[in-house]
Order: sequence, then C-alpha cells, then structure tokens
Amino acid sequence: EAGVTQFPSHSVIEKGQTVTLRCDPISGHDNLYWYRRVMGKEIKFLLHFVKESKQDESGMPNNRFLAERTGGTYSTLKVQPAELEDSGVYFCASSRRPQGVTDTQYFGPGTRLTVL
Amino acid sequence: RKEVEQDPGPFNVPEGATVAFNCTYSNSASQSFFWYRQDCRKEPKLLMSVYSSGNEDGRFTAQLNRASQYISLLIRDSKLSDSATYLCVVQAGTALIFGKGTTLSVSS
Repeated sequence: EAGVTQFPSHSVIEKGQTVTLRCDPISGHDNLYWYRRVMGKEIKFLLHFVKESKQDESGMPNNRFLAERTGGTYSTLKVQPAELEDSGVYFCASSRRPQGVTDTQYFGPGTRLTVL
Repeated sequence: RKEVEQDPGPFNVPEGATVAFNCTYSNSASQSFFWYRQDCRKEPKLLMSVYSSGNEDGRFTAQLNRASQYISLLIRDSKLSDSATYLCVVQAGTALIFGKGTTLSVSS
C-alpha cells in the first residue's frame, strides 16, 4: 500500500508570491489533515477534511491560506501571498475511520517551504 | 502553558542503557495518547498508543496517568537505531496535539 505523498518536497519562494502544496492520501482514507511545523516550534494542526468537506479548520492561521479537496481525493494547500513567517514544514496526514473513532494518522514526508 | 510539554532533552545515552521520557498535557478532555518517532528531516511515525493500563511493545513501555495528566515512555536496552526525536501526542477531537519532542542520541 502506497503511503501519503506530498509535492513538492521543497519550495523556495519570495515574499508575496503564491505557492500551492499538494497531498495525496493513502487510497481509501476519507480523513485528510494538514499540519505545520515552523522552526523551533511544535507541529501544529491546521485543518481536517472528511472526504471533500472541511470538518475543522480551527488551526488555519489566517485567510492567506486556502485548502481544498475537490472530489475527496487529493488536497491542495495554497498560500497567497506568502509571508516570511509561513516558512516551515507542511505535513499532510490521512486516516481511514470515520470521525469520532480513534484512528492512526499516517503522515506524508512533508513539504519544506522557505519564504525569502 | 503549552498544551503538551515534554522533557527538554537532548538525552545522550550509551547502547544498552534504559532511558525514560516524560510528558504532561493540559487538556483534561484529551481522549487518546500516543508516542510518535521522528527521524531527522522525516515525517512523524506512530511508535505506540498509550493506554491507562500501560502497554508494552518489545523494549518500549508506555504509561498514562489520567489523574496527573502525565504520559511516559521507557526504552530498555537502547540501540543505535533508537536515535531520533520522540514526540508526545494527545488527541482531543480529531486534531493531534504535539509536544516539541525530545531528542535521543544513542552512542556505541
């Protein structure tokens, strides 16, 4: 079974530019999560999809971040315009079971974003 | 106060040593508890879930004390391959809440 994949693995952009990160969850996993780790801090939750619906976006830092999961398969996270403090590693995770049931979240390798 | 706090580390131990990591959490409504392992520049991977009754997986033993809101991980007979960052994680709702991690370095 293929794991969670993320693209690109690294992205270096200038402040004010737009970047789109992609996540492909494990096949059959309805739950998809985005997390972020900025330098020196802990990994923090951004949002949670069940299929194509946003269930919890309480962790999204501001309206410069837009996540989508059209069709309930892969997801994109767009940052527009990017700011210096957006630099960090963006992880995607997926899990199989319905919301409310404890389930293992499997993480992708992350996208390392650097904003100059 | 951070939601999940861990020992600052780093822990530098010789092969064969026993090492213990501690973690406290602030949200008494937390439902599930885990230890994840993260190798340098890699993704977090689930090491083990943590139950109130305590659970063991080979050389690894995890304990949960809900009354004290305290979680521990004990690693016996440390191997070089155990070198990594260990993340204490709690779950409230569907989001995982991570500690900053404790770095373990096992040397020969």
